[in-house]
Amino acid sequence: AQSVAQPEDQVNVAEGNPLTVKCTYSVSGNPYLFWYVQYPNRGLQFLLKYITGDNLVKGSYGFEAEFNKSQTSFHLKKPSALVSDSALYFCAVRDERNYNTDKLIFGTGTRLQVFP
Amino acid sequence: GAVVSQHPSRVICKSGTSVKIECRSLDFQATTMFWYRQFPKQSLMLMATSNEGSKATYEQGVEKDKFLINHASLTLSTLTVTSAHPEDSSFYICSASDRPDQPQHFGDGTRLSIL
Repeated sequence: AQSVAQPEDQVNVAEGNPLTVKCTYSVSGNPYLFWYVQYPNRGLQFLLKYITGDNLVKGSYGFEAEFNKSQTSFHLKKPSALVSDSALYFCAVRDERNYNTDKLIFGTGTRLQVFP
Repeated sequence: GAVVSQHPSRVICKSGTSVKIECRSLDFQATTMFWYRQFPKQSLMLMATSNEGSKATYEQGVEKDKFLINHASLTLSTLTVTSAHPEDSSFYICSASDRPDQPQHFGDGTRLSIL
């Protein structure tokens, strides 16, 4: 069955330090992977996606993610965290049974807290 | 580009009231729109997928008669919570997509509170 796992409910990091938010996936075919961020009482904002090509994907606000096929992972990273990065982060994979409807399967979310 | 507008942002109403939430794609044509429900400190739960001009596809466990979805045009989908009760209180979010290889674009959500 297709699934996305975000093993950490919360990640704490000091401002200026690198951050990593973990995501692993399970699909039978080639994955379409996404990262979204949600600020309080707001919808989700798209950060980046992996469809094909380079394993290192660069996205908005200085975030990047590395696609690792052997480890079935798509961890979100940023070299230097900002307090304003504190938010809820969701990893998602395209539902390959429904490519024509763009349906996504979301992870449970990871709350990132960046301390000054 | 790719802006999705969701309205209203917050609704407080009495039990038994029906509430309509609108989701509009402002600068693109959305062939597909999605409606999600999010409980506090939880992930998004997909409620239904709607395609313009056809009936919505509901996820298992979502009551079709309770949550009416209409996708009358390529830029507008509406979710009506009929005869709302306190247990329907939640954060409802819509998203829209114009192409299968593009990300979904999300509205800012509607906080529904039923008294």
